[in-house]
Amino acid sequence: AQSVTQLDSQVPVFEEAPVELRCNYSSSVSVYLFWYVQYPNQGLQLLLKYLSGSTLVKGINGFEAEFNKSQTSFHLRKPSVHISDTAEYFCAVSPPMDSSYKLIFGSGTRLLVRP
Amino acid sequence: DADVTQTPRNRITKTGKRIMLECSQTKGHDRMYWYRQDPGLGLRLIYYSFDVKDINKGEISDGYSVSRQAQAKFSLSLESAIPNQTALYFCATSDLPSTGFFFGQGTRLTVV
Repeated sequence: AQSVTQLDSQVPVFEEAPVELRCNYSSSVSVYLFWYVQYPNQGLQLLLKYLSGSTLVKGINGFEAEFNKSQTSFHLRKPSVHISDTAEYFCAVSPPMDSSYKLIFGSGTRLLVRP
Repeated sequence: DADVTQTPRNRITKTGKRIMLECSQTKGHDRMYWYRQDPGLGLRLIYYSFDVKDINKGEISDGYSVSRQAQAKFSLSLESAIPNQTALYFCATSDLPSTGFFFGQGTRLTVV
């Protein structure tokens, strides 16, 4: 069975500072990896995804993530955050060979950007 | 119009009442899902459907039922609502595992 751990429930950071949101997963098979963002009172929006190939993936709004197979991690980074990045961020995995296509989510990390 | 639409957006109901949450999509996807979001727990899968004739339980299906009325419509019912079903509910669709999910705006349900 797969599982996802987001170690930080909340990450406060000042505007224009860099940020890293951590995600570790557990799986005995290869998985697809995703980061979603949830702005207040909205649904989840796909930020980026890793399917295969280059371990560094770039997403929307200046975010990027690096897949590390040996450490089973998929940390999300942004070099300079804005107030508008304040949101909740979810890491998720999907086993490509699972016919249900279901996503397994972490518990989320709330990013709070302060002026 | 949104690709995945949930109604209602907010609902307050009393303990013991039956309530239905509705989801419709224009993506043309076969797979539809209902998730529940609770603070600190992330999103947990309630039910999912491959097509009208194929319904599957997720990890927390107790106390819930679903109906897939058409490819585009997938409803979630709480037969007898209880307070610990107070949560934010999301409907999502998918066509391929590589594309990820498309989510609705969510339904905030409060059971008093």
